[in-house]
Amino acid sequence: ETGVTQSPTHLIKTRGQQVTLRCSSQSGHNTVSWYQQALGQGPQFIFQYYREEENGRGNFPPRFSGLQFPNYSSELNVNALELDDSALYLCASSLGRGVSGELFFGEGSRLTVL
Amino acid sequence: SQQGEEDPQALSIQEGENATMNCSYKTSINNLQWYRQNSGRGLVHLILIRSNEREKHSGRLRVTLDTSKKSSSLLITASRAADTASYFCAPGAGGGNKLTFGTGTQLKVEL
Repeated sequence: ETGVTQSPTHLIKTRGQQVTLRCSSQSGHNTVSWYQQALGQGPQFIFQYYREEENGRGNFPPRFSGLQFPNYSSELNVNALELDDSALYLCASSLGRGVSGELFFGEGSRLTVL
Repeated sequence: SQQGEEDPQALSIQEGENATMNCSYKTSINNLQWYRQNSGRGLVHLILIRSNEREKHSGRLRVTLDTSKKSSSLLITASRAADTASYFCAPGAGGGNKLTFGTGTQLKVEL
């Protein structure tokens, strides 16, 4: 148990729809990172939030956006869903944004786009 | 942040045997981490080794780091069926915890 919770655990959407995924970070952690993991692949970095501001972004289009709230929980929003967005979306929390340290992952949200 | 490349892609062994998987990376690092992922679940942190360390142990895990060769290895001794999972390395080079992951090593431990 990492203390990081994600919701929903599974969801099905159709192409063109929008989705919001939620993440509660471990107590005391002020940094949240989001990852996309397609079947058979490693997790790909989407973006990171530190104290409510975006602190780095991977190679994902602007239709992937996020928010971090004052309690450090976070949302990942994906607009105009495409079939290739079907994946496991993982949230990871950590403390600080300095030298790389341990990430604490949630169990993920499995998104299927039809 | 740079991505590590794990090798082999897949490894199948018998319970009780040792499993060794390797990681290579391209540029200087501050540390390197190993994570485990059971099928369809979140990643679990196993161990972090700093750039000034050469070897680190944690239970049945032994990690080595060779910064001159830009490589690391993870050894799991006396493997168990419960060790069946994907294993990922993540080189850390500062700039925050924006870790990137390769495709991992899929370990299968058979009874």
